Amino acid sequence: DGGITQSPKYLFRKEGQNVTLSCEQNLNHDAMYWYRQDPGQGLRLIYYSQIVNDFQKGDIAEGYSVSREKKESFPLTVTSAQKNPTAFYLCASSLGQALVETQYFGPGTRLLVL
Amino acid sequence: AQSVTQLGSHVSVSEGALVLLRCNYSSSVPPYLFWYVQYPNQGLQLLLKYTSAATLVKGINGFEAEFKKSETSFHLTKPSAHMSDAAEYFCAVSEGGGGADGLTFGKGTHLIIQP
Repeated sequence: DGGITQSPKYLFRKEGQNVTLSCEQNLNHDAMYWYRQDPGQGLRLIYYSQIVNDFQKGDIAEGYSVSREKKESFPLTVTSAQKNPTAFYLCASSLGQALVETQYFGPGTRLLVL
Repeated sequence: AQSVTQLGSHVSVSEGALVLLRCNYSSSVPPYLFWYVQYPNQGLQLLLKYTSAATLVKGINGFEAEFKKSETSFHLTKPSAHMSDAAEYFCAVSEGGGGADGLTFGKGTHLIIQP
């Protein structure tokens, strides 16, 4: 079955630690996205990538980094600079760059701070 | 800049009653509009989307939405609520500057179904 997988489902971060969230898709989509979801805040865009080896900052990129070395993969690193990382993180992908394209979402990773 | 406002963080209806979830948008150009549903601890699933082909859009699970340009609205409705409809619903707009630079989401409406 085609889809988007995110791992792990739960992730715990210690003070000063960098952690990486995995996102893989087998839909052959060009564009991929990372969103952060906080209760009552909706989803906010962290980073997005329209093509391999290229990515752009979203609305809340500070304290996060990404890479896009393969079309299928778009990992997100939450760095120690992100002072409030506790949230639900959602990865999405879309077929192309057109605004009308539907974004398909993974099941999410919940990040908690110890 | 685009924005989305969802009126009511929580909406409660009785099973079998009409569901109406409100969404108003702000956009400088004709937008593309989306409704997504999220069940607890899961990702988002597309319910329907407006692409300017028709103002009344039908989606999955019996939901539909009507695009009203004069009111800048895209309200989601369902004639008869079912217990399985209990979830979080998000309205989103895609405007962008010429590329797939992400959706702008409303803050969500939690739909509660009373038996």
